[in-house]
Amino acid sequence: DAGITQSPRYKITETGRQVTLMCHQTWSHSYMFWYRQDLGHGLRLIYYSAAADITDKGEVPDGYVVSRSKTENFPLTLESATRSQTSVYFCASSGQGIGSPIYFGEGSWLTVV
Amino acid sequence: TQLLEQSPQFLSIQEGENLTVYCNSSSVFSSLQWYRQEPGEGPVLLVTVVTGGEVKKLKRLTFQFGDARKDSSLHITAAQPGDTGLYLCAGINNAGNMLTFGGGTRLMVKP
Repeated sequence: DAGITQSPRYKITETGRQVTLMCHQTWSHSYMFWYRQDLGHGLRLIYYSAAADITDKGEVPDGYVVSRSKTENFPLTLESATRSQTSVYFCASSGQGIGSPIYFGEGSWLTVV
Repeated sequence: TQLLEQSPQFLSIQEGENLTVYCNSSSVFSSLQWYRQEPGEGPVLLVTVVTGGEVKKLKRLTFQFGDARKDSSLHITAAQPGDTGLYLCAGINNAGNMLTFGGGTRLMVKP
């Protein structure tokens, strides 16, 4: 039972490069989310999606792009990585959206040098 | 933006001790969730409290939602090393479209 998986788990990239973090869930959940976790800031929502082809901005969307062509996949792209985007990124999914149980992936550790 | 402040940020105790973690805000939330996160993993939902004044128990963990739905607490009785981790509270706004996380309380329980 894979659940929700993220890749890569660890990535080092250079400033200005494009990076895509992948997220795949096997539950057919409607809702998917991307959070970043930084010391002192807790988890902050970047983007979320209520269904395929529907995405919306969260608290900190600048510098990020998402897409949701298939229900099970929700990739997050950093178009031109900056050092301030060094963080741990968590993908999550939920059957019925915010308020119902949200299941998180194991995280992707991204370092921008 | 609704803010949630957790205290303490760090807590190191001996096995068998009791502890309480607090989650406070000036904003009202429709409900509040508590998560536990272990190193190298994503947060895992422990409980959701919905009604002001609600108390939920999960074995040695007791969760309370404030009467005004602005604050919550997590009390652990007779802490064990397996309770070690990062505890996060998260509030859902009245519109039901935003989940805001607190900064977390990092708990270490020493044997």
